[in-house]
Amino acid sequence: QLVLTQSPSASASLGASVKLTCTLSSGHSNYAIAWHQQQPEKGPRYLMKLNSDGSHTKGDGIPDRFSGSSSGAERYLTISSLQSEDEADYYCQTWGTGIVVFGGGTKLTVL
Amino acid sequence: QVQLVESGGGVVQPGRSLRLSCAASGFTFSSYGMHWVRQAPGKGLEWVALIWYDGSNKYYVDSVKGRFTISRDNSKNTVYLQMNSLRAEDTAVYYCARDHCGGDCYYSVNWGQGTLVTVSS
Repeated sequence: QLVLTQSPSASASLGASVKLTCTLSSGHSNYAIAWHQQQPEKGPRYLMKLNSDGSHTKGDGIPDRFSGSSSGAERYLTISSLQSEDEADYYCQTWGTGIVVFGGGTKLTVL
Repeated sequence: QVQLVESGGGVVQPGRSLRLSCAASGFTFSSYGMHWVRQAPGKGLEWVALIWYDGSNKYYVDSVKGRFTISRDNSKNTVYLQMNSLRAEDTAVYYCARDHCGGDCYYSVNWGQGTLVTVSS
């Protein structure tokens, strides 16, 4: 079964960096994912597509502070030089033929 | 720029029907697949349905199969979600989203602002 697992919460200080993790279920370690950001009271925003080899394609206007990487079944979103507006929920998404799955999301708090 | 505007949400009794619409602009609508994704109050995102650019393929999450129908009118740049036999657990904000491709990329690159559906007696 295709499942994505995310930690419910994370926190980091203003100006620091944070690395969020999304883990693919067993047997799906070669799957690509997409990362999305949802700021409070807003609709989601696409950040990037992240492949199993770590290559990624960012959405229009996404700052260089956002980057992605991969290791085995883990997919990472790193945000550097944290700003207050980065406080948001972050969701990973993956897919197979005829099915799309979201992770439970990580709530990022900027201290 | 890409705009997706959902409409049609509201309060509806259990067992009744509702049709959501999503009006698209800023891109060649007939070339892209379209998704519906929902978010229950205080919860995470849940994918609901996908329709290919030409309507030839449609996919649904198991919990709505047989009750919800996704469709599109490429002449009106609009995608629809017909929701029948609504249940309390269908209460959510419903977002439409554009697929990166004609439908076989399966991930969303543009999102609307959502419309709230409340199922309650």
